[in-house]
Amino acid sequence: DTAVSQTPKYLVTQMGNDKSIKCEQNLGHDTMYWYKQDSKKFLKIMFSYNNKELIINETVPNRFSPKSPDKAHLNLHINSLELGDSAVYFCASSQDGGPPRNTQYFGPGTRLTVL
Amino acid sequence: AQSVTQPDIHITVSEGASLELRCNYSYGATPYLFWYVQSPGQGLQLLLKYFSGDTLVQGIKGFEAEFKRSQSSFNLRKPSVHWSDAAEYFCAVLGLPGGSYIPTFGRGTSLIVHP
Repeated sequence: DTAVSQTPKYLVTQMGNDKSIKCEQNLGHDTMYWYKQDSKKFLKIMFSYNNKELIINETVPNRFSPKSPDKAHLNLHINSLELGDSAVYFCASSQDGGPPRNTQYFGPGTRLTVL
Repeated sequence: AQSVTQPDIHITVSEGASLELRCNYSYGATPYLFWYVQSPGQGLQLLLKYFSGDTLVQGIKGFEAEFKRSQSSFNLRKPSVHWSDAAEYFCAVLGLPGGSYIPTFGRGTSLIVHP
């Protein structure tokens, strides 16, 4: 069974559209994350979320919003897509608390291309 | 603030040769350190982690890493590289900015393996 899964794997869309990426984990973890990997492979945390707290990277535009229907899912909604949003988006999850519990496990990524 | 430096953007080795990928971190307290591997088109897979104890850490796929506090380093090693090891390798440090454990990733080292 896949521990952290994301859908879709590839997403191609036009500027100005609104899209969502879904993430699910079956590890029983309490905390989930979204990362953006740019064309130079740099990984940047966007959000960290558990049932207690949402931590937002202040540099993330408010067009991006995480939504969690339950603790096994953390979806990423993006409004008014821009060319610069093209990247690979990774979901990750971990247990709550400090090390070593909060070792992160990553999904396979979603490659978003905005035309 | 915590930071991670991977000084080598690309490393090229011949199959069967030994490998060392460098990672230097900056963090004021006890660091929690990780190495992840990203194969082409794949997500990040955890290779190994250091939290405390023995400074030489064994990981999956024959990799090991040594934590050296005096040098602020956590270099990844493998005695004999296989062609399937060609991938992007990321070092990460886990700190406690603002009261939450959010990892900081290095920019990655791309490993090229020649036959």
